[in-house]
Amino acid sequence: EVQLVESGGDLVQPGRSLRLSCVASGFTFDDYAMHWVRQVPGKGLEWLAGISWNRASIDYEDSVKGRFTIFRDNAKNSLYLQMNSLRAEDTALYYCAKDLGITLREGRAFDIWGQGTMVTVSS
Amino acid sequence: DIHMTQSPSSLSASVEDRVTITCRASQSVGIYLNWYQQKPGKAPKLLIYGASSLQSGVPSRFSGSGSGTDFTLTISSLQPEDFATYYCQQSYNIPRTFGQGTKVEIK
Repeated sequence: EVQLVESGGDLVQPGRSLRLSCVASGFTFDDYAMHWVRQVPGKGLEWLAGISWNRASIDYEDSVKGRFTIFRDNAKNSLYLQMNSLRAEDTALYYCAKDLGITLREGRAFDIWGQGTMVTVSS
Repeated sequence: DIHMTQSPSSLSASVEDRVTITCRASQSVGIYLNWYQQKPGKAPKLLIYGASSLQSGVPSRFSGSGSGTDFTLTISSLQPEDFATYYCQQSYNIPRTFGQGTKVEIK
């Protein structure tokens, strides 16, 4: 079965760090670009970051640039999001998503999504 | 950044109705436009990619059209399982922005 399973979400204080993980199964992980997308409960979807199959291309949404780092370990079929200097406005459900393409520049859609992991930033 | 605007933000419809949702981009995205369906408590599901290509396994009552800045998602005959929120997304450039969503509710 093709699936993505996120983990690592938690309640953290403002200014602290958190690392999210996403484990892929059922497809050849290193054949595809991957992304992180978040959603504040009851609100819309926000793309955060993407990484190409070989890590050669990485991009971020401006609000997380410099605070969040996306990386992947193809040997472990895993995608990660290191989140530093967390703010209350980072509170959201975080999804990892598989790209239909291998690079970020192909402009493809996201065909597989995980179930999400919840991050709450509060003192 | 490319801003995506969907209309309407919500609509009420009956089973077997024909439903149309529009998405407008703030600049041309060619055909790099995708549609997703999201049900409460679930992850988004890809319906349409490349403006008009139906994702594998998606019922043929869903269709997409458009290019440039104006796009449409059509459900030809609304079924009970189609009540959900629909999002468009441009994949023309980074950041991969989404529309604000259109909630399809039961009339």
